[in-house]
This record gives sequence, structure tokens and C-alpha cells, in this order.
Amino acid sequence: GNSVTQMEGPVTLSEEAFLTINCTYTATGYPSLFWYVQYPGEGLQLLLKATKADDKGSNKGFEATYRKETTSFHLEKGSVQVSDSAVYFCALSAADSWGKLQFGAGTQVVVTP
Amino acid sequence: KAGVTQTPRYLIKTRGQQVTLSCSPISGHRSVSWYQQTPGQGLQFLFEYFSETQRNKGNFPGRFSGRQFSNSRSEMNVSTLELGDSALYLCASSLATGGDEAFFGQGTRLTVV
Repeated sequence: GNSVTQMEGPVTLSEEAFLTINCTYTATGYPSLFWYVQYPGEGLQLLLKATKADDKGSNKGFEATYRKETTSFHLEKGSVQVSDSAVYFCALSAADSWGKLQFGAGTQVVVTP
Repeated sequence: KAGVTQTPRYLIKTRGQQVTLSCSPISGHRSVSWYQQTPGQGLQFLFEYFSETQRNKGNFPGRFSGRQFSNSRSEMNVSTLELGDSALYLCASSLATGGDEAFFGQGTRLTVV
């Protein structure tokens, strides 16, 4: 079946540090890949997406590249801010079930001043 | 454009009762999916409706059911509530064609006592 594995947290960083959150997936065919972010007490917000191999999604300084050869979609940001403190989820949507998102466990990121 | 609206935001129910949660999708979105979020199990897919038909279903007992109306609004029902049903229930809407991103509501926090 389809699955997503992402690195466990919490990840604690100082402001302006570089952030990487690893995400790998297992899926048949060519899934679409997503990063969502959840702030305390809120629902999920789409951060970025990629729908085919070598696509790079980007938004608010975050980037992730769809790597078919390594089945990965790692999230990166060059300089984090305190406001980036949140839980980040990697997810996929596969061709055999477009309306269903398969999520990773989530990675909590804490950015300190 | 209005986002995904979930009502109510908070609910407290007693074991054995039943509960109905509501979700109004983004205008024009015909797919509505539901997820359960708990600290122990993370984000788990419940079911997805597209044009009033259940298109995908997760691994939850039959106590969990849903439906979608002709205006794409959706409800989910949980009967015979158990303590373990305490969770944040998230609804998402999408165009659901070829891996489109899903947009989430703020969720309904259900507490079973």
C-alpha cells in the first residue's frame, strides 16, 4: 500500500538556521506530493505541492523537490523564523485514490529567538 | 472565496451517544474527505465523498459513517461513542481530479467523557 515516512521531531532550531525535514514515500505509479503545516489549534494549511518527477514546489521560502529515483520529497528552508514553529506533514495522493491523502506522522519544529 | 467551514468547533459527548459533524466545502469543490487526528495515531483517513458517492474509505469501524448532499456539503456521524473517539476531526475539500490539493477546515474537537 501507499505510505509516507518522515523524520521524527521535535526539531529545535535557532532563528535564521537552515531547516530540512526528510520525507520518503512508497506508492504505485506517480503520486502527487504535498507538504502541509499545522499551527496550534488550527487545521492544516497547504504549504507546497509537486505533481511529477523533478517538480520543485515552493512557497514562503520553503522548497521541496519531487525525486522519483529516491522516492523523496524533503522540505527545506534557508532561514527559519520564530513564526515557522509548527507541525509539518508530508503527504501523498495516489492515482488509485485521488481523493485520499496519505500522511506522514508529522514533524514538530520549534524555532527559538 | 470562503474556505472550508466545519461546525461545531468543539463538542463534548458522553460514551454511548452519537454525534454528527458538518462540513461545508469551498464553492465548486465536489470532493469532501474526512480525517481523524489523534496524538497516538496521527492523521488517519476516514472516507471521501465525490458527487454524493463514497469513493474511498479508510479502516474505521462501521460506527463511523458519512454522507454528502447535492450541494457538496458533507456530514459525518459517529454512533455509540467510545472514549477512544476523542480526537480532532478534519474535513477537506478539493476538486479531486488528478492529484489536486486539498483545503482543510479548522476541525471539530470532539471529547468523549
